[in-house]
Amino acid sequence: QLQLQESGPGLVKPSETLSLTCTVSGGSINSSNSYWVWIRQPPGKGLEWIGSIYYSGITYYNSSLKSRVTLSVDMSKNQFSLKLSSVTAADTSVYYCAKYEAGTQCAFDLWGQGTLVTVSP
Amino acid sequence: DIVMTQIPLSSPVTLGQPASISCRSSQSLVHSDGNTYLSWLQQRPGQPPRLLIYNVSKRFSGVPDRFSGSGAGTDFTLKISRVEAEDVGVYYCMQATQFWTFGQGTKVEIK
Repeated sequence: QLQLQESGPGLVKPSETLSLTCTVSGGSINSSNSYWVWIRQPPGKGLEWIGSIYYSGITYYNSSLKSRVTLSVDMSKNQFSLKLSSVTAADTSVYYCAKYEAGTQCAFDLWGQGTLVTVSP
Repeated sequence: DIVMTQIPLSSPVTLGQPASISCRSSQSLVHSDGNTYLSWLQQRPGQPPRLLIYNVSKRFSGVPDRFSGSGAGTDFTLKISRVEAEDVGVYYCMQATQFWTFGQGTKVEIK
């Protein structure tokens, strides 16, 4: 059974780079119909798509975050990662990794549990 | 960018009664391949979101049949035929026709 698990620091200082990793277990990250996605949710607020990556390295970014976001895939570890630079308090959120199934559902059909990242001195 | 607007933002409902959430997109969600990539997600308190409905009206695996989706073009609806206690949470529509965008969310709570 495919599962996703986020990992990374829960506290990041302002102006530094937030780095998170999502480990895919129970299946392969190089599935031809799957995109791997990062989504965030500020406390008490709604969901915001950050970016998506295909196992080949093709990426799509939210235009509002594009200048600060980098996604990458490590097929040897079955992981994909998020880097968000120059963070501020506004980047404090629960960060979710998710799978977008492009072949059938064309929706986010699997989510990790999420990890809270707080930006504070 | 496509903007998704949900109405209402809050919906108090009596147990056993129906609930309906509307979602409107700023432009048509019909993709060039002819499909419409509109989905609905449910987020229970303290939980990650989970997929309920995809491609406007198809229930995801394990989703009870009291949930149904409908609509076309720019106007879409999620209906719960008889609200149960476990349906409390926030519901999001999401488009995947042009990148990915979420609605603001609609909170469903019991009266």
